[in-house]
Amino acid sequence: QQQVKQSPQSLIVQKGGISIINCAYENTAFDYFPWYQQFPGKGPALLIAIRPDVSEKKEGRFTISFNKSAKQFSLHIMDSQPGDSATYFCAASGNNFNKFYFGSGTKLNVKP
Amino acid sequence: GAGVSQTPSNKVTEKGKYVELRCDPISGHTALYWYRQSLGQGPEFLIYFQGTGAADDSGLPNDRFFAVRPEGSVSTLKIQRTERGDSAVYLCASSLTVTSGGTGELFFGEGSRLTVL
Repeated sequence: QQQVKQSPQSLIVQKGGISIINCAYENTAFDYFPWYQQFPGKGPALLIAIRPDVSEKKEGRFTISFNKSAKQFSLHIMDSQPGDSATYFCAASGNNFNKFYFGSGTKLNVKP
Repeated sequence: GAGVSQTPSNKVTEKGKYVELRCDPISGHTALYWYRQSLGQGPEFLIYFQGTGAADDSGLPNDRFFAVRPEGSVSTLKIQRTERGDSAVYLCASSLTVTSGGTGELFFGEGSRLTVL
């Protein structure tokens, strides 16, 4: 059973547009929700993360929106740039960080 | 280097052979994780070490997979009697624990790509 469900599988956005990636989870024990960015041939790197006590977190052009009651969270990339073209993974963990569950990934292509 | 180092970066082996994959974490990181990433998929948890001990090995798919971290630093993932279905990128990550001020951020290596022919 997939603990974190991610959509869409792929996304094409024009330069300057907004990219939106969605994730849903079932386990209410999850306490930490990061987003990772992965370029081809590289390992994933943390982009931004949120705890369930806040509904939104913004860092530069990247924003996480969190809906605790719906058990959903999303990543918004404002003013998308070609350099943002990568695969994005949402993830979830309990507060001890022993195990992270990753979504299946969204391949983002930002067209110039 | 300052990052997580994984060797080999690529490994091609024949079905039935034994394989070892090595991970050298960031100095001072007591938490170490192994994940497996199949093509087009997200990382799948295999095992988590807290220091020298495996705190959670619930993701190891079967008894052909084993991992060690004898001195609490370098870890080796060992796969016996490899099968074609084991072909994937094996990712290692390290982090600070919560008690050491960790925030949950995983620092990943670039992975070891295993191909079983």
